[in-house]
Amino acid sequence: GNSVTQMEGPVTLSEEAFLTINCTYTATGYPSLFWYVQYPGEGLQLLLKATKADDKGSNKGFEATYRKETTSFHLEKGSVQVSDSAVYFCALSPTAGGTSYGKLTFGQGTILTVHP
Amino acid sequence: NAGVMQNPRHLVRRRGQEARLRCSPMKGHSHVYWYRQLPEEGLKFMVYLQKENIIDESGMPKERFSAEFPKEGPSILRIQQVVRGDSAAYFCASSPARTVNQPQHFGDGTRLSIL
Repeated sequence: GNSVTQMEGPVTLSEEAFLTINCTYTATGYPSLFWYVQYPGEGLQLLLKATKADDKGSNKGFEATYRKETTSFHLEKGSVQVSDSAVYFCALSPTAGGTSYGKLTFGQGTILTVHP
Repeated sequence: NAGVMQNPRHLVRRRGQEARLRCSPMKGHSHVYWYRQLPEEGLKFMVYLQKENIIDESGMPKERFSAEFPKEGPSILRIQQVVRGDSAAYFCASSPARTVNQPQHFGDGTRLSIL
């Protein structure tokens, strides 16, 4: 079956530090890959996505590249801010047919805390 | 343009009672997904519905849980005879179509606590 593995947290950084959160996946075919962010007490917000190999998703200074050869989709940001403190989820969605189409499989989440 | 609306935000039930969670998708969205988030875990898929039809319920527990998405009104996730282990955050997501270019939009969740 499909699965997503994220680096274990929590991750604690100082403001303006470089961020990497690792994500690897197992899936058949060519899934779409997503990063979602969850702020305290809220639902998930889509941060970025990539739908095919070598695609780079980017938003709000965050980037992730779909690497099929390493089955990875690592999240990076060059300079984090205190406001980036949240839980980050890597997820995949199968793109072949069948009843699992559209269903998201999530990693366990990584808590990021950024200090001033 | 209102987002996905879930209510209630918090729900407290005693063991053995019924819990009803409601989800109104974004305007124009006919696909609804329910996920459960246990403490300090990621979200787990429960059920996928399209108007009046259950498309995929592979993540739903076989007993006590049911879901519907009627022609009119919100989607309902119903848990009968709740137990302590049902305590979790339940999230609803919607999309306008079942394609990869239409990512799912999430509500703020219902946090269910069982006494």
